[in-house]
Amino acid sequence: AQSVTQPDIHITVSEGASLELRCNYSYGATPYLFWYVQSPGQGLQLLLKYFSGDTLVQGIKGFEAEFKRSQSSFNLRKPSVHWSDAAEYFCAVGRNTGFQKLVFGTGTRLLVSP
Amino acid sequence: NAGVTQTPKFQVLKTGQSMTLQCAQDMNHNSMYWYRQDPGMGLRLIYYSASEGTTDKGEVPNGYNVSRLNKREFSLRLESAAPSQTSVYFCASRLLLAGYNEQFFGPGTRLTVL
Repeated sequence: AQSVTQPDIHITVSEGASLELRCNYSYGATPYLFWYVQSPGQGLQLLLKYFSGDTLVQGIKGFEAEFKRSQSSFNLRKPSVHWSDAAEYFCAVGRNTGFQKLVFGTGTRLLVSP
Repeated sequence: NAGVTQTPKFQVLKTGQSMTLQCAQDMNHNSMYWYRQDPGMGLRLIYYSASEGTTDKGEVPNGYNVSRLNKREFSLRLESAAPSQTSVYFCASRLLLAGYNEQFFGPGTRLTVL
């Protein structure tokens, strides 16, 4: 069964600084990988996804993520954080065969300081 | 398109009461899902419906039932609510095609069981 680990529960970043949120997954084959963002009191919005091909994927709001098979990681990055990026971020993994159910990580809450 | 809609947005129940959470999507998606979100635990799959007429248990199905009323609607029922079911409930939908594409989420229902 697949699993996802987001080792950082909270991260605080200064506005304008770079950001990297970590995600490690466990799955026996090449997975489908996703990053979702949840603003306070809102549902989840897809930031980006990886299915195959180029291991560096671009998403919305200036986010990108890199799939590293050797490290079983799919870390989310942004070169310059804005105050509006404060939210909770979830990494998720899906199987690439059969009916794909997503397994979510426990989330990382991003705080942005002025 | 409204996307995925959920009703109600908020609900308070007493232990032992029953209620049904409603979910509808207007994107002509064939797969629908119910998740619960608890602090520090991410999203956990309760039930899903791969296509109209089918439903299956997810990770945490105990205490819940579902009905896939038609292609658009997927309801979640709590027959006898318990305080452990206090949570935020999210419905999601996805177009099932060869390969994979993302799930779209509703805004959530915040349920408190006293």
